[in-house]
Amino acid sequence: GENVEQHPSTLSVQEGDSAVIKCTYSDSASNYFPWYKQELGKGPQLIIDIRSNVGEKKDQRIAVTLNKTAKHFSLHITETQPEDSAVYFCAAKTSYDKVIFGPGTSLSVIP
Amino acid sequence: DAGVIQSPRHEVTEMGQEVTLRCKPISGHNSLFWYRQTMMRGLELLIYFNNNVPIDDSGMPEDRFSAKMPNASFSTLKIQPSEPRDSAVYFCASSLGSGGYEQYFGPGTRLTVT
Repeated sequence: GENVEQHPSTLSVQEGDSAVIKCTYSDSASNYFPWYKQELGKGPQLIIDIRSNVGEKKDQRIAVTLNKTAKHFSLHITETQPEDSAVYFCAAKTSYDKVIFGPGTSLSVIP
Repeated sequence: DAGVIQSPRHEVTEMGQEVTLRCKPISGHNSLFWYRQTMMRGLELLIYFNNNVPIDDSGMPEDRFSAKMPNASFSTLKIQPSEPRDSAVYFCASSLGSGGYEQYFGPGTRLTVT
């Protein structure tokens, strides 16, 4: 079945450094790729998304890139801050509208 | 906007009891999703409604689970009878339009079945 893989599972960076999280997907018909941030005790929060007709999208310190040929996409966070510490999930929407989530990356930003 | 509202936030019950989780989607959203989150299996889609109609329930684990959406502002997820392996955090999410785009999640219900 459809699958989304995500790496790394944990990531620790110094405040001010950049963080990169990478995901791959299996369904070549996927056309929508959201990223969610989940803080402890809360529901996932949509932070950025990209559609398959776009290669890159940026929103302030967050950017996402998509390589449809290789079936992978990445989240880039620049100038990290302690409040960026959370679990980040990538996801891919399949051809029949089901959103499959990756296993998550626990990001720690060290002050 | 109040966002997606879920109740209760925490539920502790004994094996064999019936459990009902409730969700109020964001006003104006016409798609609603129920997810389950566990350490072992991550975030899994259980069922997806569009305009109050179940579209995809392939993620519902077994007949013990049922979901309803009687109107655009309310949905329930029921487990009867509950089992310890049902312990998880259950999230409701809603989105505008169909297709699963831009889903907004509620705070979740943490269910513990002893």
